[in-house]
Amino acid sequence: GAVVSQHPSWVICKSGTSVKIECRSLDFQATTMFWYRQFPKQSLMLMATSNEGSKATYEQGVEKDKFLINHASLTLSTLTVTSAHPEDSSFYICSAPGQGRPGELFFGEGSRLTVL
Amino acid sequence: QQPVQSPQAVILREGEDAVINCSSSKALYSVHWYRQKHGEAPVFLMILLKGGEQKGHEKISASFNEKKQQSSLYLTASQLSYSGTYFCGTEIEAYKYIFGTGTRLKVLA
Repeated sequence: GAVVSQHPSWVICKSGTSVKIECRSLDFQATTMFWYRQFPKQSLMLMATSNEGSKATYEQGVEKDKFLINHASLTLSTLTVTSAHPEDSSFYICSAPGQGRPGELFFGEGSRLTVL
Repeated sequence: QQPVQSPQAVILREGEDAVINCSSSKALYSVHWYRQKHGEAPVFLMILLKGGEQKGHEKISASFNEKKQQSSLYLTASQLSYSGTYFCGTEIEAYKYIFGTGTRLKVLA
């Protein structure tokens, strides 16, 4: 099956700093990727759709200036959490549609962000 | 709106069966199911594309009632490896999914 890789798998940063998370499709091209945020014991909440070569589309309530998304190539999307605060601490997961079974999403391993 | 799953949590003994339900207030055109282990990414289980469709995957199967806007996941003869959180998901735009509230399943030896 298709492989999606995220990096880093965990990061701890100080309040006010910016953190970049990368999401790569390793063996297929992904013109679209999705970013989710998951708080402990909660569901995955869709944050934004990352589109290769164009601006990301954000879900209602997600600040585009705080969560910068760049999809510079067909295999890489990045999420930058700017001026991070403790309330941004969460598990961030990316996904990309596969090219096999219809509707199947492949998820990255997730990135756990802790803001001190 | 996020699909609602029930129960929120369930504890089973190995070999017991469980049913997880997923209900949506909006029309469902497809439903997919994922399992997530703690601290890991969700893993695809199956997708149901048509109303009334039923599918199976080892001892895990699912049904989709389009009219009732519901789907159910059936786990039979549960194994320790079935432990995790199960999410249903529905497509709101092409490949854009929202996920249900989740059901935490714990299988005990």
